[in-house]
Parts: sequence; C-alpha cells; structure tokens
Amino acid sequence: GESVGLHLPTLSVQEGDNSIINCAYSNSASDYFIWYKQESGKGPQFIIDIRSNMDKRQGQRVTVLLNKTVKHLSLQIAATQPGDSAVYFCAESALNRDDKIIFGKGTRLHILP
Amino acid sequence: DAMVIQNPRYQVTQFGKPVTLSCSQTLNHNVMYWYQQKSSQAPKLLFHYYDKDFNNEADTPDNFQSRRPNTSFCFLDIRSPGLGDAAMYLCATSREREPLDGYTFGSGTRLTVV
Repeated sequence: GESVGLHLPTLSVQEGDNSIINCAYSNSASDYFIWYKQESGKGPQFIIDIRSNMDKRQGQRVTVLLNKTVKHLSLQIAATQPGDSAVYFCAESALNRDDKIIFGKGTRLHILP
Repeated sequence: DAMVIQNPRYQVTQFGKPVTLSCSQTLNHNVMYWYQQKSSQAPKLLFHYYDKDFNNEADTPDNFQSRRPNTSFCFLDIRSPGLGDAAMYLCATSREREPLDGYTFGSGTRLTVV
C-alpha cells in the first residue's frame, strides 16, 4: 500500500553542523506534510509543516523543502545541538484519505560532541 | 496549560485480561485519534472520533475498541491483550479533520503484556 518512508534509519551529525533528514512519499494526492520530533518516552512533537502549494518553509533553525515532482521532503536543522537528539518522523495527509495523518518510518538523529 | 493527557504513563496487564487506556483533552478539539507505536516503528493509526462519529481503520484488529463519552475523554479498550499488543499507545487531537498545525499528541501510555 501507499506509505511515507525515510531513506536513512540513523543519522550522526557533529554538534554545530547542519542536519538534513530526508523523506519519500508515494501518495501523489498528499497535500499536507509535517515533521515531528519524538524524544525517548514522549509523544511526537510538531516541528514544522508545509502545504503542497509551497516548496519551502522556514522556522526557527529548521527548514522544510518539498519537491512534488519526485515526491521528496526534507528537514534541515541548522547548527545542530545536543537537544536535537531524537527520532524525526515525516508525516503526510491527503484529502482523499479524510486528511488523516500517516507517519513515515523515522530517522534517529545522533549528535556527536 | 491546555493539553492532551494520557493515563497511566505505564500499564502492565496480563495476557488476555481486558485493559483500558484513557485520554483527556482540554483543547475542546472535535477530533481525537488513537495511534499504536511499536518499538522503533512509526505510529500507526487505529481509529478516530470526529465528535461522536467513530471511524475505524480497515486493518485495526477487532480486539481494539474505543469509546468517547464526551468531548474531553476518549478511551482505548483492548479486550484480550496479546503479547503482540505491547506498544506505546498515543492519543492525539485536532480541532477539525483538516490537520492544521498537525495534531497535538499526548505523552503516550506504554503497555506491557505479561
């Protein structure tokens, strides 16, 4: 079935460097995309979202890029900090699926000192 | 602070013994969701309520039921837990079906089946 998935299960980044986490999706009708951060023992925390009519959106230290042509989504974290250590999920929703949010597999981000 | 609260944080139940997990919200959101998250996996949607309208995902086992007695509370009932039902259960809310700003998640209940 259709799903949202991630290219890399783990990513190790030096503290202070930029992190890029990638995500592929397969539902061409997906029109809303979200990145969540999940720390150990906690629920997913909203980071940033983007609608399909945009290709870039920036937040505080984070940027989401959307390439609808190749169905690819990325999350960029600037100046990665120890507190950024977590599992990051991309998620998507589509009007043809009652707008329900479907999660991808997740990438664990390790910050190296 | 307005939030989504799940109780208990940790629940241990015996194989085959019915168990209920609870979720409450002070956001007055219309939609409440239950997700199951197994270790190192993504959250998987089980079902959701839009107001009193119950919506089950096609692949959610019959062993899982839900109740929403009022706007604020939603319960997940597992009639006969098996070892494979051990997981983190996440409750989430949304003001409307369209997930503006994503959903608001609770901290989850980690269920252990012994």
